[in-house]
Amino acid sequence: KAGVTQTPRYLIKTRGQQVTLSCSPISGHRSVSWYQQTPGQGLQFLFEYFSETQRNKGNFPGRFSGRQFSNSRSEMNVSTLELGDSALYLCASSWGTYNEQFFGPGTRLTVL
Amino acid sequence: AQSVTQLGSHVSVSEGALVLLRCNYSSSVPPYLFWYVQYPNQGLQLLLKYTTGATLVKGINGFEAEFKKSETSFHLTKPSAHMSDAAEYFCAVTMRTPMDTGRRALTFGSGTRLQVQP
Repeated sequence: KAGVTQTPRYLIKTRGQQVTLSCSPISGHRSVSWYQQTPGQGLQFLFEYFSETQRNKGNFPGRFSGRQFSNSRSEMNVSTLELGDSALYLCASSWGTYNEQFFGPGTRLTVL
Repeated sequence: AQSVTQLGSHVSVSEGALVLLRCNYSSSVPPYLFWYVQYPNQGLQLLLKYTTGATLVKGINGFEAEFKKSETSFHLTKPSAHMSDAAEYFCAVTMRTPMDTGRRALTFGSGTRLQVQP
């Protein structure tokens, strides 16, 4: 089975712009979660989707949003980018009883 | 609420030496526990997990971890370090919930960077 894929792998944006990141989960996985990783804050949960519905959200401002499509693919959007949004954004997919999550390679976002 | 503490942000060992990475958790109910490894410019790879049953779990690349409920610990060990083990290691915890409840978010520790000296 193919793993979790994320596109693009690298992005450079300027402050005030908006960005959309994409995640394709492992085939058959219906739960997709997003995490932000920064040197200062570590790994932080952004949101979780299951069957096209956002089921849980972390403590991030409303500029961060996401969605999930019927084929379980997910996108996250960040509007009005700030310098502090520079981070590695990781997507993880999950299926089964034990909450085991499988991560993609991440999208490295740099905001200038 | 749950939390994870990883003691030691950097650990350095010699090749062939024992690796011990410490993880303590705080959770109001027994959680699921995981160790992930991250190599530079890559995502997270699952090393091993504790869900139920045997408290000593074996993972990939020769790693194992022991769940100790009385100590709320889940330390990661490897008998003999290899140069290729140099990476950052994350301990994570999540609640025991059905998949569709939306409570599968992982809470991560701050990570331990493992250096292996030749």
